[in-house]
Amino acid sequence: GAVVSQHPSRVICKSGTSVKIECRSLDFQATTMFWYRQFPKQSLMLMATSNEGSKATYEQGVEKDKFLINHASLTLSTLTVTSAHPEDSSFYICSATGGAGGYTFGSGTRLTVV
Amino acid sequence: GENVEQHPSTLSVQEGDSAVIKCTYSDSASNYFPWYKQELGKGPQLIIDIRSNVGEKKDQRIAVTLNKTAKHFSLHITETQPEDSAVYFCASTGGGAGSYQLTFGKGTKLSVIP
Repeated sequence: GAVVSQHPSRVICKSGTSVKIECRSLDFQATTMFWYRQFPKQSLMLMATSNEGSKATYEQGVEKDKFLINHASLTLSTLTVTSAHPEDSSFYICSATGGAGGYTFGSGTRLTVV
Repeated sequence: GENVEQHPSTLSVQEGDSAVIKCTYSDSASNYFPWYKQELGKGPQLIIDIRSNVGEKKDQRIAVTLNKTAKHFSLHITETQPEDSAVYFCASTGGGAGSYQLTFGKGTKLSVIP
C-alpha cells in the first residue's frame, strides 16, 4: 500500500533556529501534499496544501514566511519552521495523495522549541 | 466551507462490546468519507473509507454507514479489543479522494476496558 515517510520523528531545537521536516512518498508519486499541525487532545489543523512544482497554498492565519514549504519533486515535500519559538512547539503531520490509497499520512514530527 | 461534527468526544466500552461513533457534515457535495485511527504520538492511520455511491462498507470488525440524505456517517466497531483504544477521527472531502483537502471532526477517544 501507499507509504509516507516523515522525518525526523522528534526534534528539539533552540529558540531562534530553523528546523526542517521531510515528508517522502515511498511507493507512489504524490501530486498533492498537505501539512497539518496538531495540538494535544485536538484535531488536525490544516496549515497548507502544496502541489509539485508550484507554490504552497496557506490556510488563513498561517504565516508563509515562517512555515516554508517546498514540494520540488513528486516524492518529497519539506516544511521548514524558521526562527522557531516555544509557541511553535507542536506535532506536525504531513499527508500525501496520488496513490491508490487516497490520503496517506506520515507518522508525525514532535517539535519542541526550548 | 465544510463543517464536520463528531460525537461522542469520549467513549468507554467493555471489551467485546460494540462501539459507534457518529459524524455529520454540512457540504452536500462531499463524496469521500474516511475514518482514521490515531495512537498516541503517531500519525493518523486509515481504517476504512466510503464513497458517496455506497451506503455501507464492512471490513472484518469495522463497518461504516453513510446516509447522504441526512448527511451523516457512522463508524461501527464490533467485538472491541483493548488494542482498539485510540483516538478516532472522521473526515470528509468534496472532490473524491486525492483532489481536495480533508475536513476533520474533533475526534473521539475510545477506551476499551479489559
